[in-house]
Amino acid sequence: DAGVTQSPTHLIKTRGQQVTLRCSPKSGHDTVSWYQQALGQGPQFIFQYYEEEERQRGNFPDRFSGHQFPNYSSELNVNALLLGDSALYLCASSFIRDRVVEQYFGPGTRLTVT
Amino acid sequence: AQSVTQLDSHVSVSEGTPVLLRCNYSSSYSPSLFWYVQHPNKGLQLLLKYTSAATLVKGINGFEAEFKKSETSFHLTKPSAHMSDAAEYFCVVTRYSGGYQKVTFGTGTKLQVIP
Repeated sequence: DAGVTQSPTHLIKTRGQQVTLRCSPKSGHDTVSWYQQALGQGPQFIFQYYEEEERQRGNFPDRFSGHQFPNYSSELNVNALLLGDSALYLCASSFIRDRVVEQYFGPGTRLTVT
Repeated sequence: AQSVTQLDSHVSVSEGTPVLLRCNYSSSYSPSLFWYVQHPNKGLQLLLKYTSAATLVKGINGFEAEFKKSETSFHLTKPSAHMSDAAEYFCVVTRYSGGYQKVTFGTGTKLQVIP
């Protein structure tokens, strides 16, 4: 089992550009969540996808959007990048067992906006 | 509603001495509790989980945690710290209700291990 995978590992973009980050969930997981982690901070919840729909969303602007595909993989898109979008972006996949949510994280994508 | 409080933002221990990272939770339901570890510039790795089975939970790398309902605590311990334990640790509570997965993070505790 490959676990949760993310691509790319690192990315450098210029302010105003757009970026797409990708995530493949752990085998058997049907839910994908995205988090933003600024330097020295804890992960902040962006949104969660289940059955190809956005089910929950954190306090992030509409510049942040996503998609989930039929194979449960997911993309995070950020438009009109700002310097403050520089962060580690974490993808987590989860499943429900006996009504317990178990979440597993990928290695993250480090986005630098210059 | 649910919340998690990690009582220490930084903990410093000497190599070979015990580790104690404190976590208190608040939940209207029977909680599921997790500890994750994050090494610099890495993703979060699941250390251990409590899901209403045994109250003393053993995890990877010699860590364990005890669920104490009366104290609403889920403190992480290790008998003897190793240099490789230096990292940030997050206590997390999750709940599944009404078809929604709710995940709440603590603010993290940075563990420093002094040689």
